[in-house]
Amino acid sequence: DAGVIQSPRHEVTEMGQEVTLRCKPISGHDYLFWYRQTMMRGLELLIYFNNNVPIDDSGMPEDRFSAKMPNASFSTLKIQPSEPRDSAVYFCASRAVGNSNQPQHFGDGTRLSIL
Amino acid sequence: AQSVAQPEDQVNVAEGNPLTVKCTYSVSGNPYLFWYVQYPNRGLQFLLKYITGDNLVKGSYGFEAEFNKSQTSFHLKKPSALVSDSALYFCAVRDGGTNAGKSTFGDGTTLTVKP
Repeated sequence: DAGVIQSPRHEVTEMGQEVTLRCKPISGHDYLFWYRQTMMRGLELLIYFNNNVPIDDSGMPEDRFSAKMPNASFSTLKIQPSEPRDSAVYFCASRAVGNSNQPQHFGDGTRLSIL
Repeated sequence: AQSVAQPEDQVNVAEGNPLTVKCTYSVSGNPYLFWYVQYPNRGLQFLLKYITGDNLVKGSYGFEAEFNKSQTSFHLKKPSALVSDSALYFCAVRDGGTNAGKSTFGDGTTLTVKP
């Protein structure tokens, strides 16, 4: 099992640029979560999907952020335009089908720096 | 609604001594409780969970946690700490009484084990 795969691992870009973060969940998992982690705010849930459908996007900070899950094996988180305050580590996680007593499996994150 | 509190930002222990990382929770229904560990530059890794049954749950790397319903607590413990246990620890809760898809995470506790 390859685990949750995120790309890129690091991204440095200038403010105003579009940023796209990618996630491949574990095969067979039907929940996918996007989180943001910063020193100031800790771990924040941005959005999550069930069977490729967005269920709760109340954590998305503003309209500059968007997330899609076109199929069960791929999701993207896009920031356009990016701002320095978006600098953070972004994690993707997936969870197995069925019982809600299963843990989440996290990728190793994308460290995003907006200059 | 569901919530988690980790009252200590930091816990320091000497190697070989027992350690406890505290967690209290609040949910409307039955609590599904989880502990995760995060090492530097890595995603969160699942340690253990309580769903039902025995109040003492054993997990990875010699960790265990005790569920206490009356105190609404789920403290993480280890009889003898190792320097390699130094990391950031997160407690999480999900309401098992609903079909809630998301977990709520605490703010994390940094554990430092000194040689």
